[in-house]
Amino acid sequence: GAGVSQSPRYKVAKRGQDVALRCDPISGHVSLFWYQQALGQGPEFLTYFQNEAQLDKSGLPSDRFFAERPEGSVSTLKIQRTQQEDSAVYLCASSSRLGTAGGFGEQYFGPGTRLTVT
Amino acid sequence: GENVEQHPSTLSVQEGDSAVIKCTYSDSASNYFPWYKQELGKGPQLIIDIRSNVGEKKDQRIAVTLNKTAKHFSLHITETQPEDSAVYFCAASRNSNYQLIWGAGTKLIIKP
Repeated sequence: GAGVSQSPRYKVAKRGQDVALRCDPISGHVSLFWYQQALGQGPEFLTYFQNEAQLDKSGLPSDRFFAERPEGSVSTLKIQRTQQEDSAVYLCASSSRLGTAGGFGEQYFGPGTRLTVT
Repeated sequence: GENVEQHPSTLSVQEGDSAVIKCTYSDSASNYFPWYKQELGKGPQLIIDIRSNVGEKKDQRIAVTLNKTAKHFSLHITETQPEDSAVYFCAASRNSNYQLIWGAGTKLIIKP
């Protein structure tokens, strides 16, 4: 079946532009996560949704970052006034389970969107 | 907060030999330790995980060991094959906090 998909796969933005990154989770998955992965590093948590509710946005680096999941399926990560330090791969993951890390089960990751800010 | 350190950053082994990747964590309350494999251009994929109530878990050629006293855990891959070449990440989290804290990754190279 279809896995997690993300679009676009690559995005080049000029400094100061706004960007929107899309995530299509596995159908029926209630939990959705966004991560930021800098080159040569592990992913870093940005935000978590349970259905349409954004339960944790503590990892968002600044108020220029905004995420939504209005109908509890597709999610969009928006970055306003992009800066060079925003250049990274943005990963989306979904899980069929609720609860704590021990109860989330496997997180299924999409291929990521590589954002380059010039 | 939690900090996860991973070593080595690059590991090159001959095909058929074993590979071992080690991680240490700082938060003694962490009790969930997954390992992910990331191939070029793809997202991470869970390959094995372990919880703090067990010391070792095996799945075919892959095994993970956990030493809670020393706060370290390791990934062991036996009889390595070319398709094992990838970047491997360890991670840790508390049961009450779903945030995974990730290591920096190990690039595993299998030499033919």
